[in-house]
Amino acid sequence: KNQVEQSPQSLIILEGKNCTLQCNYTVSPFSNLRWYKQDTGRGPVSLTIMTFSENTKSNGRYTATLDADTKQSSLHITASQLSDSASYICVVSWGTYKYIFGTGTRLKVLA
Amino acid sequence: SQTIHQWPATLVQPVGSPLSLECTVEGTSNPNLYWYRQAAGRGLQLLFYSIGIGQISSEVPQNLSASRPQDRQFILSSKKLLLSDSGFYLCAWSRTGTRENQPQHFGDGTRLSIL
Repeated sequence: KNQVEQSPQSLIILEGKNCTLQCNYTVSPFSNLRWYKQDTGRGPVSLTIMTFSENTKSNGRYTATLDADTKQSSLHITASQLSDSASYICVVSWGTYKYIFGTGTRLKVLA
Repeated sequence: SQTIHQWPATLVQPVGSPLSLECTVEGTSNPNLYWYRQAAGRGLQLLFYSIGIGQISSEVPQNLSASRPQDRQFILSSKKLLLSDSGFYLCAWSRTGTRENQPQHFGDGTRLSIL
């Protein structure tokens, strides 16, 4: 069964600290893996997209990694800011217009 | 630049009433269009996608339908709403083409509550 599991479900960190969010998937065939940021009550915004051959991709303070062998991805946030408070969603594409969304990690950054 | 608009932002409807949610995209042509539902505590579920005018593909059987009367307009409808139709509905677009690593750009959603 195609699944995307994210951990932790929620996370609280202090402003300025780093954090890493995890995504494990059992999706086949694999096309690409995406990370989105979703502010409360808003639509998701794309952070990174990685294909099978890419093992890291950065977008500012966000760095995503992909290990296609172990089917794991992580999203590392450096020097967190209050505006990073949001849900982070991992999405795996397994074919044309085929997407499996994780349930997200809810991050809260405190001053 | 491209923008996507969804309306209304919130909607409260009684069971059995009809539904029409509208989504429009500006600044691009022939986009791929998508309707998703996000239920509390669950991941986004793809409901419909469209690669062109009048072309609609449904991912899950349900009480809803979609139409694409114009290139950049995507409508989600229902003739009779059920309690289970409550949720956060998101419209998205992506560039057309065969490349799979195109990001999807989401609207800000419609929160639908069925009473």
